[in-house]
Amino acid sequence: DSGVTQTPKHLITATGQRVTLRCSPRSGDLSVYWYQQSLDQGLQFLIQYYNGEERAKGNILERFSAQQFPDLHSELNLSSLELGDSALYFCASSGGDTQYFGPGTRLTVL
Amino acid sequence: TQLLEQSPQFLSIQEGENLTVYCNSSSVFSSLQWYRQEPGEGPVLLVTVVTGGEVKKLKRLTFQFGDARKDSSLHITAAQPGDTGLYLCAGGGSNYKLTFGKGTLLTVNP
Repeated sequence: DSGVTQTPKHLITATGQRVTLRCSPRSGDLSVYWYQQSLDQGLQFLIQYYNGEERAKGNILERFSAQQFPDLHSELNLSSLELGDSALYFCASSGGDTQYFGPGTRLTVL
Repeated sequence: TQLLEQSPQFLSIQEGENLTVYCNSSSVFSSLQWYRQEPGEGPVLLVTVVTGGEVKKLKRLTFQFGDARKDSSLHITAAQPGDTGLYLCAGGGSNYKLTFGKGTLLTVNP
């Protein structure tokens, strides 16, 4: 158990819909990272937050957004969903150079 | 864009055999991390190497960082079924952002 929690574990929705994925970091960790993992692209960095502020951006689509709240939990919002957005979405947290990954949310877009 | 290529993509061996997987890049990274991911779980950090030429051992696993800090290898001695999983390498950059390879899927058959 990494100490990072993610909900929901599974999410099935339709194209065009919007979903919110939630992540609670390890106690004391200020950084939260979001990743997307698909079979063809592997694990892709999306975005990083540090203590509520956006710190770094990766291959995140404009239809996706994220935020980190004062209690340090983070949410990843995915809108206008497409079939190709089906993937595993991981959150990781860190207090330094080691990232601890949550169990992921498996998103299926039908 | 920094890319990490892992080889082989798939590896199926018998229990007791030795194996080596590789992680190569044309870019220099400040650190190189190896993760193992099991189905339905998030990646779990195995080791971080930061110095060119560095070798680290973790029981039957030996990790090496190339002299130029562009490549790394993971050697497993006397593989066991419990070693089965997806092995990911990740290069560290600024803000602790990680660039992942697509992984080597290892199956160790009893």
